[in-house]
Amino acid sequence: SQTIHQWPATLVQPVGSPLSLECTVEGTSNPNLYWYRQAAGRGLQLLFYSVGIGQISSEVPQNLSASRPQDRQFILSSKKLLLSDSGFYLCAWRGLDRGFTDTQYFGPGTRLTVL
Amino acid sequence: QKEVEQDPGPLSVPEGAIVSLNCTYSNSAFQYFMWYRQYSRKGPELLMYTYSSGNKEDGRFTAQVDKSSKYISLFIRDSQPSDSATYLCAMNSGGYQKVTFGIGTKLQVIP
Repeated sequence: SQTIHQWPATLVQPVGSPLSLECTVEGTSNPNLYWYRQAAGRGLQLLFYSVGIGQISSEVPQNLSASRPQDRQFILSSKKLLLSDSGFYLCAWRGLDRGFTDTQYFGPGTRLTVL
Repeated sequence: QKEVEQDPGPLSVPEGAIVSLNCTYSNSAFQYFMWYRQYSRKGPELLMYTYSSGNKEDGRFTAQVDKSSKYISLFIRDSQPSDSATYLCAMNSGGYQKVTFGIGTKLQVIP
């Protein structure tokens, strides 16, 4: 079965520091991968998605970037964090569920606090 | 106007009550509808999905879609304290199109 991992689970960083969050998926090949941010009262915001190695699409212009160095690895980065980057970051992959191709499955998330 | 509207709650009900959670949407291209359950500090987990108007039942959960009214619902029968979570509706127009999520309704079932 497919499993999605994210780390770290919790992170506290000062403003202006760099960021690297990692997501890996097991049990599937060439998945579509997604980064979302969930902030209080704002719901899930799609940040980036990737359909393959090196292929990244950005949904929201900001100081974050994403990379996909391997088929099942997705990384979210920032060179300098802002206070507004605080939130719950979720990685998701898109899979086949009993013939339904539009289902997204989420990882456990990383809670980021920027101070 | 947001594409998907969902009341954030919180909604508090006594144990054993029937819970009704709802979303409205404006994009008539949406064809696939999902409900996710998210416990505090966890990632959302897929609860139910459907792609047609009508009802779909899974245990204590029933998903209902009315495409003519652009309205979807999730009913929880015999609610339990373990059902306390935030419930997010989600939908898309099919294929690999972007999934649009509601803001989520926070539900608390009181023992």
